[in-house]
Amino acid sequence: DQQVKQNSPSLSVQEGRISILNCDYTNSMFDYFLWYKKYPAEGPTFLISISSIKDKNEDGRFTVFLNKSAKHLSLHIVPSQPGDSAVYFCAASVGGANNLFFGTGTRLTVIP
Amino acid sequence: ETGVTQSPTHLIKTRGQQVTLRCSSQSGHNTVSWYQQALGQGPQFIFQYYREEENGRGNFPPRFSGLQFPNYSSELNVNALELDDSALYLCASSPGSVNQETQYFGPGTRLLVL
Repeated sequence: DQQVKQNSPSLSVQEGRISILNCDYTNSMFDYFLWYKKYPAEGPTFLISISSIKDKNEDGRFTVFLNKSAKHLSLHIVPSQPGDSAVYFCAASVGGANNLFFGTGTRLTVIP
Repeated sequence: ETGVTQSPTHLIKTRGQQVTLRCSSQSGHNTVSWYQQALGQGPQFIFQYYREEENGRGNFPPRFSGLQFPNYSSELNVNALELDDSALYLCASSPGSVNQETQYFGPGTRLLVL
């Protein structure tokens, strides 16, 4: 049973525009959420996170929004750059544990 | 470059065989987690080792086992391989057992079971 879902397998965006990647979860015990970026032949790398006590966290061009009532989070990238082209995974955990539950990923393509 | 390496990069085995995958963690990282990523799926947590002891396990059968060594290396062993074990296997190391942001992933070992 997939507890973290990313329903859009792919997304294409023009360079300079906003990229919005979405993620839904079903387990209400999740209290920490992370986004990872993955390039081909590399492991996922940590991008940004958010605790369930917050509804927004910003780091440069990347902002994560959390809507607990809807069990939904999103990653906004503004402005999008060609180097952002990668597969993005959202992940969730309970109590800060290292065993992460990942979504299936969204492949972002930023078109120059 | 995360400082986490895995070997081999690719591996082909036949059903019923046994396989050992290796991971070398960043120096000082006493926690290693292993994940299985099937084609088109996100990584799934297999188990975690903390200071050479298993410290949490996902929904994987006992034929998936692991070892962690004092020199920051670790192994994932899979017995009686099945076709569905074909996947990318990722290890991730971190300096503690509850610190996801500093969990660094290796590039993975791609296993094909025929």
